[in-house]
Amino acid sequence: DAKTTQPNSMESNEEEPVHLPCNHSTISGTDYIHWYRQLPSQGPEYVIHGLTSNVNNRMASLAIAEDRKSSTLILHRATLRDAAVYYCILRKAAGNKLTFGGGTRVLVKP
Amino acid sequence: DAGVTQSPTHLIKTRGQQVTLRCSPKSGHDTVSWYQQALGQGPQFIFQYYEEEERQRGNFPDRFSGHQFPNYSSELNVNALLLGDSALYLCASSFGQGRGTGELFFGEGSRLTVL
Repeated sequence: DAKTTQPNSMESNEEEPVHLPCNHSTISGTDYIHWYRQLPSQGPEYVIHGLTSNVNNRMASLAIAEDRKSSTLILHRATLRDAAVYYCILRKAAGNKLTFGGGTRVLVKP
Repeated sequence: DAGVTQSPTHLIKTRGQQVTLRCSPKSGHDTVSWYQQALGQGPQFIFQYYEEEERQRGNFPDRFSGHQFPNYSSELNVNALLLGDSALYLCASSFGQGRGTGELFFGEGSRLTVL
């Protein structure tokens, strides 16, 4: 499985944007970029996914580099509830399993 | 609409014992995957069940086995427990094996402590 690299942790102030980077230099053409987050004492929760184009949903935006070797998850206005570990995952189009790395722990300060 | 439910939420076992964990998928889902999450680590894929058969397996020994029932619920069995099996066990459900873009829904997990 292709590997992703994320910073261990990031801090943000409440109501400010958060930009979470992810490097995936060995990504293949059939890999989708998925983001999940895990709040304390809960199971992971789907955030967003994309293939080549930037994507937006109610939770976040995903910006994908033109060469697809990196991507950025954008939380537009962080709230205290967004404090979690965010995982960037590459997932095969024909596969179901998720290969989690260490993720980025996001701390949101009031 | 109930999401993914897992039981029990917490349990304590001793080395050498056997444990069974249970999972009911989200309504409308037919595929169940199991993950192990050690403290401070990301979840690791154990296996996936679809149509009552194991379809994919991660790097886990044969002590880890599972089953899927006709109603799509699933069990994870771990035999001959080791201290290193202490972890949060997560169940995830999806539809049609959730290929590629299908979102996985996770339960809150079963926390197993092996003494």
